[in-house]
Amino acid sequence: DAGVTQSPTHLIKTRGQQVTLRCSPISGHKSVSWYQQVLGQGPQFIFQYYEKEERGRGNFPDRFSARQFPNYSSELNVNALLLGDSALYLCASSSKGQGAGNEQFFGPGTRLTVL
Amino acid sequence: AQTVTQSQPEMSVQEAETVTLSCTYDTSESDYYLFWYKQPPSRQMILVIRQEAYKQQNATENRFSVNFQKAAKSFSLKISDSQLGDAAMYFCAYRSPMTGTASKLTFGTGTRLQVTL
Repeated sequence: DAGVTQSPTHLIKTRGQQVTLRCSPISGHKSVSWYQQVLGQGPQFIFQYYEKEERGRGNFPDRFSARQFPNYSSELNVNALLLGDSALYLCASSSKGQGAGNEQFFGPGTRLTVL
Repeated sequence: AQTVTQSQPEMSVQEAETVTLSCTYDTSESDYYLFWYKQPPSRQMILVIRQEAYKQQNATENRFSVNFQKAAKSFSLKISDSQLGDAAMYFCAYRSPMTGTASKLTFGTGTRLQVTL
């Protein structure tokens, strides 16, 4: 079975631009979470979606938005890019929205560089 | 809010030896989940081991085991018989089991493990 997939692998943008990152969860998983990992730090939670509804949001500005599609894939959008948005963006899928046994499986990430 | 602290930015171990990575956390919850994730240079975050706070028995997965001290809020990872493939960043993470909340992971800052010959 395929794991979590993310596209693109790498992305270079300039300040002020907008970017869309994509994630496909493991087959049968209904929850997708997004994390931002700045170089040298641990991942920070951005969003969780379950059954196409937002279940949680981390401490990120409104420039960050996401959605989940009927096939459970997800997109993360970032508007008005800042230099500080340069990071590895990780997507994780899980079978449930919460609770026991809700392990998260991570994709390989998208490396975003903002110049 | 929960916090996770990893006080060892880097650790080194010789092949076949044992190493322990430290993690402490802060929470007011009585039930929760703790994890160790491995992130090799390929960037993919891989689950190494998990511990449920209500279980007193320390989790074990092959060469990986934890020392979970709930009262001290400590959760260390022991790697036995270290192998070159164990070289990676290791992250300690916390997850709340509470219903109605997002299933988010709170990560520490990581420990880079080097394995030498």
